[in-house]
Amino acid sequence: ELKVEQNPLFLSMQEGKNYTIYCNYSTTSDRLYWYRQDPGKSLESLFVLLSNGAVKQEGRLMASLDTKARLSTLHITAAVHDLSATYFCAVVNSGYALNFGKGTSLLVTP
Amino acid sequence: DTGVSQNPRHKITKRGQNVTFRCDPISEHNRLYWYRQTLGQGPEFLTYFQNEAQLEKSRLLSDRFSAERPKGSFSTLEIQRTEQGDSAMYLCASSPPGGLGTEAFFGQGTRLTVV
Repeated sequence: ELKVEQNPLFLSMQEGKNYTIYCNYSTTSDRLYWYRQDPGKSLESLFVLLSNGAVKQEGRLMASLDTKARLSTLHITAAVHDLSATYFCAVVNSGYALNFGKGTSLLVTP
Repeated sequence: DTGVSQNPRHKITKRGQNVTFRCDPISEHNRLYWYRQTLGQGPEFLTYFQNEAQLEKSRLLSDRFSAERPKGSFSTLEIQRTEQGDSAMYLCASSPPGGLGTEAFFGQGTRLTVV
């Protein structure tokens, strides 16, 4: 059974600081997705990572994938309040089903 | 708005009643997924359609749950004899034809409360 673990589950950080969210998964996969969810809202796609060493950046967020280590990271640079949300990573094992982590709840404070 | 549309947005039902949710995917998206999300958890996969064919079903999809996608367009998810444990957000997502790396776009969800 594919397991996806994120850490930390809760993160409070000050504006302007940098931090990294980690996503580990238990079986081989070459497709990893990052989503953002605001309270009471649906999921917004952030990144799709399809190969070992893939790196994608959008604004203050950068995601990377190491398929050999079964690890993806979501790096936040110079955090701003608008980034406060829950971030999920999701991995596809076989077929098309996304297996989600429990999410990292991020709060950016002044 | 041409995103994934789900109806109703909220549903309160008494235990034992049947409920049906509808999902309208993005136009021309042939892949459609249903997920369930409980408070503080990530979404859990329920089922997947490619066009009208239901190709994957999770063990979570008990015999009280049934999903259809007639004609490969909109989809319905029915829960029979609802239980309190069915209370959750039910999310629908769709993705376009193409390789396995295509991303799924999620709807706003239907929040079910079973009382």
